[in-house]
Amino acid sequence: SQQGEEDPQALSIQEGENATMNCSYKTSINNLQWYRQNSGRGLVHLILIRSNEREKHSGRLRVTLDTSKKSSSLLITASRAADTASYFCATDGNNDMRFGAGTRLTVKP
Amino acid sequence: NAGVTQTPKFQVLKTGQSMTLQCAQDMNHNSMYWYRQDPGMGLRLIYYSASEGTTDKGEVPNGYNVSRLNKREFSLRLESAAPSQTSVYFCASRTDWSSGNTIYFGEGSWLTVV
Repeated sequence: SQQGEEDPQALSIQEGENATMNCSYKTSINNLQWYRQNSGRGLVHLILIRSNEREKHSGRLRVTLDTSKKSSSLLITASRAADTASYFCATDGNNDMRFGAGTRLTVKP
Repeated sequence: NAGVTQTPKFQVLKTGQSMTLQCAQDMNHNSMYWYRQDPGMGLRLIYYSASEGTTDKGEVPNGYNVSRLNKREFSLRLESAAPSQTSVYFCASRTDWSSGNTIYFGEGSWLTVV
């Protein structure tokens, strides 16, 4: 089974609103990463948070990690239509990076 | 610097045929991966290679074989294709811990087995 599970499966918001996606995982991790996938393309790395970090920012992205609850969240602030994509969390236990099923984000102009 | 390059982009196979998906990276990464992605789903790990000369099974290895030919190349082979193997296949490579542990993906190979 996949290591990470994103929630919700789909999210639709208006441009300018914030989008929050959650990820839960099952086993101990070294780090957790978030990736973005535009339709028909490969995944692109967004941000990495290490297991000893609680929060990290990158531009309009804010990631939190709660290792006690085995969960992470990705917040995209002031969303744009160009943010429309699928977002995946990936967990790194050893060398095998495992991905969740993703959250499909639609930002309406 | 092309990143991760995989070929072919599209392929249609008949049930029982064999084929090899090729992947090469020019970033000097040790770790390489093969994933499959089915419609509306996330990526499932087929096989990975932590370094040249080593390969390990992922979540869904049945029906596949891999070869880590050298540090640059990691191929995926379907010996006897089945309709259940219709999917999009992604090759990826990863930087090491000191460089951020980031995975870089190829653009995908769309495989249809009829």
